[in-house]
Amino acid sequence: DTAVSQTPKYLVTQMGNDKSIKCEQNLGHDTMYWYKQDSKKFLKIMFSYNNKELIINETVPNRFSPKSPDKAHLNLHINSLELGDSAVYFCASKHRTDTQYFGPGTRLTVL
Amino acid sequence: GNSVTQMEGPVTLSEEAFLTINCTYTATGYPSLFWYVQYPGEGLQLLLKATKADDKGSNKGFEATYRKETTSFHLEKGSVQVSDSAVYFCALKETSGSRLTFGEGTQLTVNP
Repeated sequence: DTAVSQTPKYLVTQMGNDKSIKCEQNLGHDTMYWYKQDSKKFLKIMFSYNNKELIINETVPNRFSPKSPDKAHLNLHINSLELGDSAVYFCASKHRTDTQYFGPGTRLTVL
Repeated sequence: GNSVTQMEGPVTLSEEAFLTINCTYTATGYPSLFWYVQYPGEGLQLLLKATKADDKGSNKGFEATYRKETTSFHLEKGSVQVSDSAVYFCALKETSGSRLTFGEGTQLTVNP
């Protein structure tokens, strides 16, 4: 009965590779997000989709591309990975009361 | 633009001590205010929230009151436990839009 799930939980890869992180929510929410959390725990919003439409697109390198095949899924594809992309990436979805529900995170390590 | 400022951490307390984590904000209009908690190795989860001035949010012994006159939403708990060790985030959401603006997070460690 997981509300917001992400796969994989850990991702270790080499510089220059392309990788994807998947997110699914079973809460019936219309709005989903991707956040990046750095080693100092600072949380930065990257993207948001509402009903498969992109509504927030922060200043993020265009190597990052979100894709929402349906309103329950929001995936994040990263091209040409760099050392600075190492972080924990969180997916979240938003209830109509504005409470956001976060996934468990994906720890990305770029070597 | 909107911003949230939290007291710098880390904060280390002994069990049963009183906790205050300060949070002040800058926003136009009448934002909703939130405290989220992140336990080690987990995602953030809502701790409490308040949607208008003078509202008090409370949960698990934690409280915070929405003070518009001081633009603050300080988090308090009368007696902390070891299990409260986590990172605490203050956040705001403006009336329109769906963006949450987070503070920097405050690491709390409670020692037995």
